[in-house]
Amino acid sequence: QQQVKQSPQSLIVQKGGISIINCAYENTAFDYFPWYQQFPGKGPALLIAIRPDVSEKKEGRFTISFNKSAKQFSLHIMDSQPGDSATYFCAASSGGSQGNLIFGKGTKLSVKP
Amino acid sequence: DADVTQTPRNRITKTGKRIMLECSQTKGHDRMYWYRQDPGLGLRLIYYSFDVKDINKGEISDGYSVSRQAQAKFSLSLESAIPNQTALYFCATSDSAFYTDTQYFGPGTRLTVL
Repeated sequence: QQQVKQSPQSLIVQKGGISIINCAYENTAFDYFPWYQQFPGKGPALLIAIRPDVSEKKEGRFTISFNKSAKQFSLHIMDSQPGDSATYFCAASSGGSQGNLIFGKGTKLSVKP
Repeated sequence: DADVTQTPRNRITKTGKRIMLECSQTKGHDRMYWYRQDPGLGLRLIYYSFDVKDINKGEISDGYSVSRQAQAKFSLSLESAIPNQTALYFCATSDSAFYTDTQYFGPGTRLTVL
């Protein structure tokens, strides 16, 4: 089973701080790395995604950093806000495959006011 | 209206009962998926369908079956429910025309098996 390993399982950050969630993968064929955000009572929704031809992608306060040689990628949330409190899932897929996403186990982020 | 809908949203059933969860989408996507979510285990793929005539088992298909009645409808059945099938179930869709494999999730069905 191809795996995506995500850490930490839970994270508590003060308002205004930086939240960092890490993921590691094994399959070098993966070429698409999205992050999904899930609020309580809702389904996951795409937050931001990156391809391995770039090392960083930024959208507002959310940044993905990608290290191809280490087979790792991470989500950084700058100036974290209580409204960012949610569960975050990293995922990976290979465009040459049937298109299935392999998800990490999730990180529950709590941002304290 | 929501693009991906799931019914019911909550269901309590008893061990041994047959139950069906339904998913409908108005996004026009060809691919549909069923996942279950358990605390600490993330999202695990149960079944997926790339078109009406294509059904594939996912990581944890034992004890489940699916039916793709139309491009827009994909149902998940538990033939004889057991307590460890208590979980949050999500349907998702994606469009094979796009390389990014972005999946769009429904709101989920919370299933409790007593």
